[in-house]
Amino acid sequence: KQEVTQIPAALSVPEGENLVLNCSFTDSAIYNLQWFRQDPGKGLTSLLLIQSSQREQTSGRLNASLDKSSGRSTLYIAASQPGDSATYLCAAPPGGSQGNLIFGKGTKLSVKP
Amino acid sequence: GAVVSQHPSRVICKSGTSVKIECRSLDFQATTMFWYRQFPKQSLMLMATSNEGSKATYEQGVEKDKFLINHASLTLSTLTVTSAHPEDSSFYICSAFVPGGSYGYTFGSGTRLTVV
Repeated sequence: KQEVTQIPAALSVPEGENLVLNCSFTDSAIYNLQWFRQDPGKGLTSLLLIQSSQREQTSGRLNASLDKSSGRSTLYIAASQPGDSATYLCAAPPGGSQGNLIFGKGTKLSVKP
Repeated sequence: GAVVSQHPSRVICKSGTSVKIECRSLDFQATTMFWYRQFPKQSLMLMATSNEGSKATYEQGVEKDKFLINHASLTLSTLTVTSAHPEDSSFYICSAFVPGGSYGYTFGSGTRLTVV
């Protein structure tokens, strides 16, 4: 059974700092892993999708890595801005399937001006 | 591209009434849609999986007679909360996997249901 864990649960950093959010998953036979952003009371915005054959994906100031062998993924945010403040969710489908996503509990990020 | 439109975004209803939430895939066909529920300060929990033209699959502990799911076409899935009670107040959100491998899963904007 796939379980997804995210640490830390909350993170507060000053503007401009680089930061790393961590995600671990128990079943490494995943087809892909996806990072999302959720603003309070809003839906999910997809940030990055990493296929199982990929080791990382980049979009602007965001870089996500995937290490299936260790069951870990990281989301790196460069030069953080107050607008990056949100909850970041990591999610993966059950191993060996492309069914529903299993979510971590998220990391609540606060970037202070 | 790869947008799922969800309506309404907010709804307040009286206890005992029913509420319908719609999710439409705008530029792709969604054979399968997933319905999640999110309680305050918690992550998303899968409620059910809806498949076009067949019965939905419900997760353990989710009452299928209370949460009616209909997936009548490749672009529309609906969730009806029947005889709503205050404990059904939550954030409901739908999702679909986008074929083609570039987008992964896309989510609707969510529906905040408040039952008074």
